[in-house]
Amino acid sequence: ETGVTQSPTHLIKTRGQQVTLRCSSQSGHNTVSWYQQALGQGPQFIFQYYREEENGRGNFPPRFSGLQFPNYSSELNVNALELDDSALYLCASRPASQETQYFGPGTRLLVL
Amino acid sequence: AQSVSQHNHHVILSEAASLELGCNYSYGGTVNLFWYVQYPGQHLQLLLKYFSGDPLVKGIKGFEAEFIKSKFSFNLRKPSVQWSDTAEYFCAVKALSSGSARQLTFGSGTQLTVLP
Repeated sequence: ETGVTQSPTHLIKTRGQQVTLRCSSQSGHNTVSWYQQALGQGPQFIFQYYREEENGRGNFPPRFSGLQFPNYSSELNVNALELDDSALYLCASRPASQETQYFGPGTRLLVL
Repeated sequence: AQSVSQHNHHVILSEAASLELGCNYSYGGTVNLFWYVQYPGQHLQLLLKYFSGDPLVKGIKGFEAEFIKSKFSFNLRKPSVQWSDTAEYFCAVKALSSGSARQLTFGSGTQLTVLP
Protein backbone atom coordinates (compact mmCIF):
# COMPACT_ATOMS: atom_id res chain seq x y z
CA GLU A 1 0.00 0.00 0.00
CA THR A 2 1.24 3.46 -0.92
CA GLY A 3 -1.07 5.46 1.32
CA VAL A 4 -2.51 7.22 -1.73
CA THR A 5 -6.22 6.75 -2.33
CA GLN A 6 -8.42 7.83 -5.21
CA SER A 7 -12.15 8.13 -5.73
CA PRO A 8 -14.24 7.04 -7.41
CA THR A 9 -12.75 3.80 -8.73
CA HIS A 10 -14.87 3.84 -11.87
CA LEU A 11 -16.94 6.51 -13.58
CA ILE A 12 -19.06 6.73 -16.71
CA LYS A 13 -19.81 10.11 -18.30
CA THR A 14 -21.14 11.33 -21.61
CA ARG A 15 -19.40 13.59 -24.07
CA GLY A 16 -19.55 17.27 -23.10
CA GLN A 17 -20.02 16.64 -19.40
CA GLN A 18 -17.63 17.68 -16.65
CA VAL A 19 -15.94 15.36 -14.14
CA THR A 20 -14.05 15.74 -10.87
CA LEU A 21 -11.65 13.06 -9.68
CA ARG A 22 -10.22 13.04 -6.16
CA CYS A 23 -6.99 11.95 -4.56
CA SER A 24 -5.89 11.75 -0.95
CA SER A 25 -2.16 11.60 -0.22
CA GLN A 26 -0.08 10.72 2.79
CA SER A 27 0.59 13.37 5.37
CA GLY A 28 3.68 15.35 4.39
CA HIS A 29 3.33 14.62 0.67
CA ASN A 30 3.11 18.22 -0.49
CA THR A 31 3.74 17.48 -4.16
CA VAL A 32 1.05 15.75 -6.21
CA SER A 33 1.02 14.84 -9.88
CA TRP A 34 -1.75 13.57 -12.11
CA TYR A 35 -1.29 11.22 -15.04
CA GLN A 36 -3.54 9.88 -17.79
CA GLN A 37 -3.02 6.27 -18.82
CA ALA A 38 -4.84 5.31 -22.01
CA LEU A 39 -5.42 1.64 -22.70
CA GLY A 40 -2.19 -0.06 -23.73
CA GLN A 41 -0.06 3.01 -23.06
CA GLY A 42 2.18 4.30 -20.32
CA PRO A 43 0.99 7.07 -18.02
CA GLN A 44 1.25 10.59 -19.44
CA PHE A 45 1.93 13.57 -17.20
CA ILE A 46 -0.96 16.03 -16.93
CA PHE A 47 0.24 18.48 -14.27
CA GLN A 48 1.87 18.81 -10.88
CA TYR A 49 0.92 20.82 -7.80
CA TYR A 50 3.18 21.96 -5.01
CA ARG A 51 1.84 23.81 -1.99
CA GLU A 52 -1.49 24.35 -3.73
CA GLU A 53 -0.04 25.90 -6.89
CA GLU A 54 0.47 24.31 -10.29
CA ASN A 55 4.19 24.17 -11.03
CA GLY A 56 4.32 22.04 -14.14
CA ARG A 57 2.04 20.93 -16.96
CA GLY A 58 2.27 18.37 -19.69
CA ASN A 59 0.74 18.55 -23.15
CA PHE A 60 -2.89 18.75 -22.03
CA PRO A 61 -5.41 21.49 -22.87
CA PRO A 62 -6.73 24.00 -20.30
CA ARG A 63 -9.96 22.05 -19.88
CA PHE A 64 -7.85 19.81 -17.63
CA SER A 65 -7.45 21.67 -14.36
CA GLY A 66 -6.65 20.86 -10.77
CA LEU A 67 -6.70 21.90 -7.18
CA GLN A 68 -4.58 20.94 -4.21
CA PHE A 69 -5.74 21.46 -0.63
CA PRO A 70 -3.80 21.94 2.64
CA ASN A 71 -4.98 18.56 3.95
CA TYR A 72 -2.94 16.71 1.25
CA SER A 73 -5.97 16.02 -0.93
CA SER A 74 -6.28 17.11 -4.54
CA GLU A 75 -8.69 17.15 -7.45
CA LEU A 76 -8.49 16.75 -11.20
CA ASN A 77 -11.27 18.47 -13.13
CA VAL A 78 -11.98 17.84 -16.78
CA ASN A 79 -14.48 20.00 -18.65
CA ALA A 80 -16.21 19.34 -21.96
CA LEU A 81 -15.36 15.64 -21.92
CA GLU A 82 -14.33 14.01 -25.18
CA LEU A 83 -14.37 10.34 -26.12
CA ASP A 84 -10.54 10.29 -26.08
CA ASP A 85 -10.57 11.28 -22.41
CA SER A 86 -11.52 7.68 -21.60
CA ALA A 87 -8.56 6.40 -19.61
CA LEU A 88 -7.20 5.48 -16.19
CA TYR A 89 -6.33 8.62 -14.23
CA LEU A 90 -3.54 8.24 -11.72
CA CYS A 91 -2.57 10.42 -8.84
CA ALA A 92 0.97 10.28 -7.47
CA SER A 93 2.39 12.08 -4.48
CA ARG A 94 5.70 12.64 -2.72
CA PRO A 95 7.36 14.93 -0.24
CA ALA A 96 9.06 17.76 -2.15
CA SER A 97 12.44 16.64 -0.77
CA GLN A 98 12.16 13.20 -2.35
CA GLU A 99 12.14 12.11 -5.97
CA THR A 100 10.19 8.87 -5.62
CA GLN A 101 6.48 9.16 -6.35
CA TYR A 102 3.83 6.93 -4.83
CA PHE A 103 0.86 6.08 -7.00
CA GLY A 104 -2.77 5.60 -6.14
CA PRO A 105 -4.91 2.85 -7.68
CA GLY A 106 -6.44 5.18 -10.23
CA THR A 107 -9.90 6.15 -11.43
CA ARG A 108 -11.10 4.54 -14.63
CA LEU A 109 -13.14 7.03 -16.65
CA LEU A 110 -15.29 5.99 -19.58
CA VAL A 111 -16.74 8.70 -21.80
CA LEU A 112 -19.63 7.64 -24.02
CA ALA B 1 11.60 17.15 -23.88
CA GLN B 2 12.65 13.72 -22.78
CA SER B 3 11.20 10.50 -24.22
CA VAL B 4 11.39 6.85 -23.24
CA SER B 5 11.36 3.81 -25.51
CA GLN B 6 10.56 0.29 -24.44
CA HIS B 7 11.34 -1.98 -27.33
CA ASN B 8 9.36 -5.05 -26.34
CA HIS B 9 5.62 -4.65 -26.16
CA HIS B 10 4.88 -8.21 -25.10
CA VAL B 11 7.30 -10.82 -23.78
CA ILE B 12 6.33 -14.42 -23.09
CA LEU B 13 8.63 -16.61 -21.02
CA SER B 14 8.50 -19.93 -19.25
CA GLU B 15 9.13 -20.10 -15.52
CA ALA B 16 12.83 -20.09 -14.60
CA ALA B 17 13.81 -18.33 -17.82
CA SER B 18 15.94 -15.22 -17.61
CA LEU B 19 14.43 -11.82 -18.32
CA GLU B 20 15.80 -8.65 -19.82
CA LEU B 21 13.54 -5.75 -20.75
CA GLY B 22 15.02 -2.90 -22.71
CA CYS B 23 14.60 0.78 -21.93
CA ASN B 24 16.22 3.71 -23.72
CA TYR B 25 15.67 7.37 -23.07
CA SER B 26 16.49 10.57 -24.88
CA TYR B 27 17.76 13.38 -22.69
CA GLY B 28 21.26 14.77 -22.49
CA GLY B 29 21.27 15.95 -18.90
CA THR B 30 21.11 14.35 -15.50
CA VAL B 31 18.25 11.96 -14.96
CA ASN B 32 16.67 9.78 -12.34
CA LEU B 33 15.54 6.41 -13.66
CA PHE B 34 12.79 4.13 -12.46
CA TRP B 35 11.13 0.84 -13.21
CA TYR B 36 7.52 0.43 -12.10
CA VAL B 37 5.38 -2.71 -12.23
CA GLN B 38 1.62 -2.93 -12.57
CA TYR B 39 0.17 -6.31 -11.58
CA PRO B 40 -3.31 -7.10 -12.93
CA GLY B 41 -5.87 -4.99 -11.10
CA GLN B 42 -3.28 -3.31 -8.89
CA HIS B 43 -1.67 0.10 -8.77
CA LEU B 44 1.77 1.03 -10.05
CA GLN B 45 4.51 -0.14 -7.69
CA LEU B 46 8.13 0.92 -7.66
CA LEU B 47 10.50 -1.94 -8.52
CA LEU B 48 13.77 -0.04 -8.37
CA LYS B 49 15.34 3.32 -9.00
CA TYR B 50 18.65 4.86 -9.96
CA PHE B 51 19.70 8.30 -8.81
CA SER B 52 23.49 8.20 -8.76
CA GLY B 53 26.46 6.01 -7.83
CA ASP B 54 26.71 2.32 -8.68
CA PRO B 55 25.03 1.90 -12.07
CA LEU B 56 23.83 -1.58 -11.13
CA VAL B 57 20.84 -1.25 -8.85
CA LYS B 58 18.90 -3.96 -7.11
CA GLY B 59 15.20 -3.77 -6.43
CA ILE B 60 12.47 -5.83 -4.92
CA LYS B 61 11.57 -9.42 -5.86
CA GLY B 62 15.00 -10.20 -7.31
CA PHE B 63 14.94 -7.57 -10.05
CA GLU B 64 17.96 -5.49 -10.99
CA ALA B 65 18.74 -2.87 -13.60
CA GLU B 66 21.89 -1.43 -15.11
CA PHE B 67 22.31 2.20 -16.10
CA ILE B 68 24.60 2.61 -19.10
CA LYS B 69 25.00 6.34 -19.58
CA SER B 70 26.77 6.09 -22.94
CA LYS B 71 23.86 4.13 -24.35
CA PHE B 72 21.12 6.09 -22.57
CA SER B 73 19.81 2.74 -21.39
CA PHE B 74 18.36 1.33 -18.20
CA ASN B 75 17.54 -2.32 -18.85
CA LEU B 76 15.67 -4.44 -16.34
CA ARG B 77 16.83 -7.98 -15.58
CA LYS B 78 15.87 -10.97 -13.52
CA PRO B 79 17.82 -14.26 -13.61
CA SER B 80 14.82 -16.56 -13.13
CA VAL B 81 11.22 -15.41 -13.56
CA GLN B 82 8.21 -16.81 -11.74
CA TRP B 83 4.59 -17.06 -12.76
CA SER B 84 3.82 -14.31 -10.24
CA ASP B 85 5.99 -11.89 -12.26
CA THR B 86 3.27 -11.72 -14.90
CA ALA B 87 2.53 -7.99 -15.08
CA GLU B 88 3.12 -4.86 -17.09
CA TYR B 89 6.48 -3.16 -16.61
CA PHE B 90 7.11 0.54 -17.16
CA CYS B 91 10.39 2.35 -17.44
CA ALA B 92 10.30 6.02 -16.42
CA VAL B 93 12.70 8.93 -16.52
CA LYS B 94 12.79 12.15 -14.56
CA ALA B 95 14.90 14.98 -15.98
CA LEU B 96 16.64 17.03 -13.33
CA SER B 97 17.19 20.23 -15.29
CA SER B 98 16.49 23.46 -13.48
CA GLY B 99 13.04 24.84 -14.09
CA SER B 100 11.49 21.50 -14.93
CA ALA B 101 8.58 20.22 -12.92
CA ARG B 102 10.51 17.00 -12.58
CA GLN B 103 7.64 14.97 -13.90
CA LEU B 104 8.02 11.32 -14.77
CA THR B 105 8.07 10.44 -18.45
CA PHE B 106 6.99 6.84 -18.97
CA GLY B 107 7.61 4.37 -21.72
CA SER B 108 4.67 2.59 -23.31
CA GLY B 109 5.18 -0.50 -21.17
CA THR B 110 6.08 -4.15 -21.68
CA GLN B 111 3.54 -6.84 -20.88
CA LEU B 112 5.33 -9.86 -19.41
CA THR B 113 3.52 -13.18 -19.42
CA VAL B 114 5.20 -16.05 -17.56
CA LEU B 115 3.91 -19.51 -18.40
CA PRO B 116 3.87 -22.07 -15.58
